[in-house]
Amino acid sequence: TQLLEQSPQFLSIQEGENLTVYCNSSSVFSSLQWYRQEPGEGPVLLVTVVTGGEVKKLKRLTFQFGDARKDSSLHITAAQPGDTGLYLCAGAHLGETGANNLFFGTGTRLTVIP
Amino acid sequence: KAGVTQTPRYLIKTRGQQVTLSCSPISGHRSVSWYQQTPGQGLQFLFEYFSETQRNKGNFPGRFSGRQFSNSRSEMNVSTLELGDSALYLCASSLYPGKGLPGGYTFGSGTRLTVV
Repeated sequence: TQLLEQSPQFLSIQEGENLTVYCNSSSVFSSLQWYRQEPGEGPVLLVTVVTGGEVKKLKRLTFQFGDARKDSSLHITAAQPGDTGLYLCAGAHLGETGANNLFFGTGTRLTVIP
Repeated sequence: KAGVTQTPRYLIKTRGQQVTLSCSPISGHRSVSWYQQTPGQGLQFLFEYFSETQRNKGNFPGRFSGRQFSNSRSEMNVSTLELGDSALYLCASSLYPGKGLPGGYTFGSGTRLTVV
């Protein structure tokens, strides 16, 4: 089973605070994606990381892929109410095509209180 | 361009009934994947279609089936509904299977199915 565990499961913070969400697995992935899903909508892709140790920044969001490509983190600086949503990580394997090889994490539900 | 369109958005069915959900992919996308999302299990892969052929299937019972038409639109069917089938069913489209990652999957808003 290609299990991706995310922590924390739930997070409620005040506007302006910083936070980090973790995505961990015992499996090695060739690439890892982060999605945000708002209530009543489907997941929207935020970023894809493909190289061990890679760091990508998207405005106030910083994504890191672990050196061993088994884990990833998402750091949000100065959180805003618009960041509220369900954050999902998803890992994939190189050379194995198809959606059946995209494994989603358990999700972190973030609430940013104004 | 229009995104992935799923219909209906909400559905309430009675246990034992069957249901058909529809997904229209982004224009030009030929691959359609289906997922089931529940609070307890998260996002789970159902199946993937490309050029009217099922390429991959997840670990779901035979009550779950799907098909894809020549215009790439896809439907999924669930027969003999059970209470545990209540979930958000999501469809995602991409240009080609395998081209769906990294970065190529676009999800629809989903169909919320409630079985009573």
